[in-house]
Amino acid sequence: GAGVSQSPRYKVAKRGQDVALRCDPISGHVSLFWYQQALGQGPEFLTYFQNEAQLDKSGLPSDRFFAERPEGSVSTLKIQRTQQEDSAVYLCASSLTGAHNQPQHFGDGTRLSIL
Amino acid sequence: RKEVEQDPGPFNVPEGATVAFNCTYSNSASQSFFWYRQDCRKEPKLLMSVYSSGNEDGRFTAQLNRASQYISLLIRDSKLSDSATYLCVVTGSGNTGKLIFGQGTTLQVKP
Repeated sequence: GAGVSQSPRYKVAKRGQDVALRCDPISGHVSLFWYQQALGQGPEFLTYFQNEAQLDKSGLPSDRFFAERPEGSVSTLKIQRTQQEDSAVYLCASSLTGAHNQPQHFGDGTRLSIL
Repeated sequence: RKEVEQDPGPFNVPEGATVAFNCTYSNSASQSFFWYRQDCRKEPKLLMSVYSSGNEDGRFTAQLNRASQYISLLIRDSKLSDSATYLCVVTGSGNTGKLIFGQGTTLQVKP
């Protein structure tokens, strides 16, 4: 389809394992955002890319979280040495330009469970 | 204190009722404002942008008061299909598209 695609939809990992979450934005969208949504809460900003440049990573909770978008399209969010508090839905969104008034289109999310 | 505050509800209303949601935000430098809708276990979807002049989309009316840093959403003639969580959203400082979400308000419309 033409929307934002995320994989996997569900991921179960044991505490201490590394995980990688993938986001394929809408074709032609310059900006890509990652958000984390805990149960019963609204999404919280993690990081933002404009093309391949990571312009804001202020929301990453710790240095165990790392995101990249090397060719300015697909992005990967990596979490190292996962902990139980990392369990959440990870949402990716893209927008055409990243300007404040541009709508963001969200993917279905990856539901991460850490045992 | 959260940057965007909403009453989480739930709001339980009968079909046909009018219901209003409010939220407040703390960053006076926020430039854009939105209501998003999120169905259970689904992604957030843009419902409407919010402007100071107020804007309407069918049964939905949104209003922004910049002086009070207050945003509202009014739903008239509620339908069963309106049952969802409504997220109040503002942008961060500057021209960034970074979205700051409220906790969400849950609406349940009953037959």
